[in-house]
Amino acid sequence: ETGVTQTPRHLVMGMTNKKSLKCEQHLGHNAMYWYKQSAKKPLELMFVYSLEERVENNSVPSRFSPECPNSSHLFLHLHTLQPEDSALYLCASSPSHAGGPPMGYTFGSGTRLTVV
Amino acid sequence: EDQVTQSPEALRLQEGESSSLNCSYTVSGLRGLFWYRQDPGKGPEFLFTLYSAGEEKEKERLKATLTKKESFLHITAPKPEDSATYLCAVRRVQGGSEKLVFGKGTKLTVNP
Repeated sequence: ETGVTQTPRHLVMGMTNKKSLKCEQHLGHNAMYWYKQSAKKPLELMFVYSLEERVENNSVPSRFSPECPNSSHLFLHLHTLQPEDSALYLCASSPSHAGGPPMGYTFGSGTRLTVV
Repeated sequence: EDQVTQSPEALRLQEGESSSLNCSYTVSGLRGLFWYRQDPGKGPEFLFTLYSAGEEKEKERLKATLTKKESFLHITAPKPEDSATYLCAVRRVQGGSEKLVFGKGTKLTVNP
């Protein structure tokens, strides 16, 4: 375990379903991130939360809705997804979002999402 | 535009056959270059951070180096357990906001 826990590990959902992905970190980090990883593509940053405030939204469709109720938890709410949204969704955390020495992000194991 | 290019896309080695992976980058306001290892079905695992040209970091059979335009991950006498996808990322800080820009990765297979 890396200290960042994602649930569920696998998720199959229909295009009309609503589901949520959960991420939890107990590292005392102040910044949390959602990334999308598709085959043959680089990791794509979706959302950034710093001290529970969303500071970045990289032109992500509104069918993805993030929520950060506190500095330890991050959710990604999903609704009316498309088959092309099938991917590995990764959560990461870091001590701070900007400033200070470069620190590696700590990633969770991801949620493998399949949209049918 | 920030870009990170990794080569080769895939690399097959025999156990004990040393080689290098390349990460070339163009980014404004670079504040660190990262190497990660990713096993199938898992998230990336942090390996190294390099801050400035000329810096080197080592961990077991891996050694990372950095120049102003690229980084190399040297693998000495690899073992089958080194098989994984290796990701390179650059950290850019601009206007109080930071971003990690990733390459597509190099998939390494080490045959016994």
